[in-house]
Amino acid sequence: DTEVTQTPKHLVMGMTNKKSLKCEQHMGHRAMYWYKQKAKKPPELMFVYSYEKLSINESVPSRFSPECPNSSLLNLHLHALQPEDSALYLCASSLLLASGETQYFGPGTRLLVL
Amino acid sequence: AQSVSQHNHHVILSEAASLELGCNYSYGGTVNLFWYVQYPGQHLQLLLKYFSGDPLVKGIKGFEAEFIKSKFSFNLRKPSVQWSDTAEYFCAVRPSGNTGKLIFGQGTTLQVKP
Repeated sequence: DTEVTQTPKHLVMGMTNKKSLKCEQHMGHRAMYWYKQKAKKPPELMFVYSYEKLSINESVPSRFSPECPNSSLLNLHLHALQPEDSALYLCASSLLLASGETQYFGPGTRLLVL
Repeated sequence: AQSVSQHNHHVILSEAASLELGCNYSYGGTVNLFWYVQYPGQHLQLLLKYFSGDPLVKGIKGFEAEFIKSKFSFNLRKPSVQWSDTAEYFCAVRPSGNTGKLIFGQGTTLQVKP
């Protein structure tokens, strides 16, 4: 089973709203990732977690706040977003952070900020 | 800076034609190499990967890729494309180390005409 699940599939929010995206995997992976993908563009790395600790923050604005409450779950909390933050948010996981590991992607949450 | 370059942005082929998509990267050290595919409305799926060993790797759905270290290239090939291969194709490079960072190329849109 190489499944990463993400909820919700779609999300529409206003600029003053607070919402959260959820990502889950039950493959025993200890590294989890958030990516942002704009239309017709490649995914861009936002955050990396390893063993529930934040390993990389790619200079993401503080209106995006990641959280990894346990090894299977990764959240992305959203607050005071801008319309330009509208995108597909992808979660991925890999067994470890080490070289030779494959990242498996979820279906994404399509976010629209009005 | 580390980068991945995909030379073909949009490729249109007829069914049964042969496919080759170029991918070059700029990184002098050891790398892991990947090709991901994103079918319309679906999530990123791994087509194939190269970590070490035989530079010719075979993936799913009849795809293969060849790693040429001297050319920093990892081109994707398929002898005979099908209409169902219509998708966005991303080359990705993971430099050695434990950051987990995956660097994607800009993507190639493949359109196969029936």
